[in-house]
Formats: sequence, structure tokens, C-alpha cells
Amino acid sequence: ETGVTQTPRHLVMGMTNKKSLKCEQHLGHNAMYWYKQSAKKPLELMFVYNFKEQTENNSVPSRFSPECPNSSHLFLHLHTLQPEDSALYLCASSLRGQKVRTPIVYNSPLHFGNGTRLTVT
Amino acid sequence: DAKTTQPPSMDCAEGRAANLPCNHSTISGNEYVYWYRQIHSQGPQYIIHGLKNNETNEMASLIITEDRKSSTLILPHATLRDTAVYYCIVRSDSNYQLIWGAGTKLIIKP
Repeated sequence: ETGVTQTPRHLVMGMTNKKSLKCEQHLGHNAMYWYKQSAKKPLELMFVYNFKEQTENNSVPSRFSPECPNSSHLFLHLHTLQPEDSALYLCASSLRGQKVRTPIVYNSPLHFGNGTRLTVT
Repeated sequence: DAKTTQPPSMDCAEGRAANLPCNHSTISGNEYVYWYRQIHSQGPQYIIHGLKNNETNEMASLIITEDRKSSTLILPHATLRDTAVYYCIVRSDSNYQLIWGAGTKLIIKP
């Protein structure tokens, strides 16, 4: 149990389908992340949310649409995907803040879920 | 953020100490060294991190050289469950990004 739960664990979808991936964290963190892990490639950061506000979008195609309704939940809405989008999609969370009366930002280690294995047919 | 260099694979006998090296010669003064591992079919798991002092927790020890250009992760008594890909990453606190490389595939042999 990592404190970050992702559902579903496996998903097979056609290119015309619409589906959503869900992530929930029980760690009291305020930042949440989506990563993509393709076969034989390093993890790639897709999106970052800090206090429900999107702060990073790493040039991700619009067929991936994130949603963060609160600091504990994160969704990734998928539509008209391509076969090359097949990958392991990982959610992570961390505690991010600013040290009191300083400009120093701290960011706790990321905690990951076990991912959703997505296959696009 | 600085890049890291790790050997692609290593073997270690069960019960022995596993020492995983990492080079980060371009590390900046405010960048931490982080170690994660990823067991097959699971998400990455945080192990330990440090700035310049050596660190130890219940999972591992982290030894950082005085010039901070390299570090070693030590698993003191490796078990079969420690078989995983181990990632060494450097990152500053203000940066969201973790730049992931290919890591070291550590295989623990009975």
C-alpha cells in the first residue's frame, strides 16, 4: 500500500473510445502528477497540479485531458488515442510548500501509485 | 537539473550488501540526490535522498562523496525482493521535474 491508489490497473480501449484514469492519494499531499512510462523509455512527466492548479503541462497532446477537483483526486481523461499511447500511466503526489518567511521552496519525495497499464487497439 | 550516469545492470548475492554507484558530476549546490526503485509491474518507490551528508534509513544508506560528484546506494543485506530497477536522480527543491534515466537493473541471486 503506497498511499496512492490508481484505478483501473489495466485498460484496453479502442482509438475512438473515451475513458478516464483515476488517482486518489491518502497522504495529505498538495501536489499531484501524471507520468507516462513507455516500454524501454524513461518516465516522462505529463502534468503537475499544485493545490488543484495546473502548474506544468509538458507539451502533452490534447487527447489527454487532466482534471484535479481537489488535492486528493486526479483524473486523466482519454479520447481518440493512438496505439503509440499504449504505456503505463503513473500518478504521484508530494507535499510542496514554502518555508516560513523565506523564498525557499521545499518538495517532499514523490509517492507513486502502481499505475494503469493502458493498451490502445 | 543535472544528469546522472548509472551502470545498466548489476548482480548481487542474496544476503550480501548491494552497492549501486551513480555519477552526477554536474550537480549544483542546491540539488539533492534521490534514489527510487521500481519493482516489476509496480510504480517507483522512494528509497532515500540527501544533499551532502551521508544518510541512512530503514531501507538503505546513501554515501555522497565530498565533492558531491558521485554517490553510492547501499542495501546492507540484499534479499530476492530487492530485485528491481534503481534510479538515481538529482533535483532541486524548487523544481517539480525529476529527470529519469534508464537506471540500474539489480538482480539478487540466491
